[in-house]
Amino acid sequence: DAMVIQNPRYQVTQFGKPVTLSCSQTLNHNVMYWYQQKSSQAPKLLFHYYDKDFNNEADTPDNFQSRRPNTSFCFLDIRSPGLGDAAMYLCATSRGRNGYTFGSGTRLTVV
Amino acid sequence: EDKVVQSPLSLVVHEGDTVTLNCSYEVTNFRSLLWYKQEKKAPTFLFMLTSSGIEKKSGRLSSILDKKELSSILNITATQTGDSAIYLCAVTYSGAGSYQLTFGKGTKLSVIP
Repeated sequence: DAMVIQNPRYQVTQFGKPVTLSCSQTLNHNVMYWYQQKSSQAPKLLFHYYDKDFNNEADTPDNFQSRRPNTSFCFLDIRSPGLGDAAMYLCATSRGRNGYTFGSGTRLTVV
Repeated sequence: EDKVVQSPLSLVVHEGDTVTLNCSYEVTNFRSLLWYKQEKKAPTFLFMLTSSGIEKKSGRLSSILDKKELSSILNITATQTGDSAIYLCAVTYSGAGSYQLTFGKGTKLSVIP
């Protein structure tokens, strides 16, 4: 089945230690998104790629970076995780503005 | 300023009750409104609404959009404990930043036996 896959499902990282979360898709969707969702809050968009074009939200901290080496893969890099970065990270894809599909999420714990 | 407002923020009902969840939005160049169910994982798609007054139905769940009132409701009839979740409403719109989903804070529904 075509889908959006996030790895790992759970990630524990040390304070200040760089961490990378990955997302892959078999839908051939041209738009890929990273959302951050903290406990009891709505998902918040960090950035998205429209094809190869990177779009950063104005309030996304510099600590967060993203890479999209090809259509199928997108990575979220957190350069120096702080305790406040503990959250569920959701990858989503769409074809234009249609067919939004979420991955299963990666729950990040910072110790 | 919140563009998508959901109410109530939380709700506790007994099994068998019918519930109505509300979502109002304020965006320019509205395109669509989506409802998601979220348990302890990623949101699961329920409905996408683009046209006013047309009810979408899936089993015990139904939803309708009112573009005049800039709002939508999600109804769940004969609730079951498995309906306990956070229900998220999101909108899409045209213009700057238009490809994202803008979410409300969600309604936490608890169904007790």
